[in-house]
Amino acid sequence: ETGVTQSPTHLIKTRGQQVTLRCSSQSGHNTVSWYQQALGQGPQFIFQYYREEENGRGNFPPRFSGLQFPNYSSELNVNALELDDSALYLCASSIDGNYEQYFGPGTRLTVT
Amino acid sequence: KQEVTQIPAALSVPEGENLVLNCSFTDSAIYNLQWFRQDPGKGLTSLLLIQSSQREQTSGRLNASLDKSSGRSTLYIAASQPGDSATYLCAVRSNDYKLSFGAGTTVTVRA
Repeated sequence: ETGVTQSPTHLIKTRGQQVTLRCSSQSGHNTVSWYQQALGQGPQFIFQYYREEENGRGNFPPRFSGLQFPNYSSELNVNALELDDSALYLCASSIDGNYEQYFGPGTRLTVT
Repeated sequence: KQEVTQIPAALSVPEGENLVLNCSFTDSAIYNLQWFRQDPGKGLTSLLLIQSSQREQTSGRLNASLDKSSGRSTLYIAASQPGDSATYLCAVRSNDYKLSFGAGTTVTVRA
């Protein structure tokens, strides 16, 4: 059974640019959630996708958007990058939203 | 809004000592509570999941309790080892499907 994978591992972007992060959910999981973790803090919920529809969103501006594909993999897009967007972005999958969450290794984004 | 607090923020113990990590949350209307381990710069590894109807869960040296009415959970790690050194995060799944995390407790086990 393949676990949750994320790509890329690291990337560096310039303020104002756009970025796309990718996540492949664990086999059999239909729900994907995205989190932002700043250094020294707990992860903050960005949004959740269930069967290709966004069904929950945290306190993040609209420049954070996402997609979920028919195979339940997902993308997180961030437009107009700001310095404060520098963080570890974590993806988690589950069998429906309220079951155990399985996390990927994360993507470290640095905005300069 | 669900607020999750973990105390202490950091803990250092000699090898072999038992660890007690605390988590409190403000809204008792939860679906479940999950404990995670995070190594520096890495993703989260799920340790234990407690459903709202359960009082505790056990896995090997780990035991987690849940008192929903008082908004508290405790993670016990017996006979700590240097390999247990990591940050431990508590997360609560609320009725709005959102997973709310504490800031974590960073544990150092000294050999």
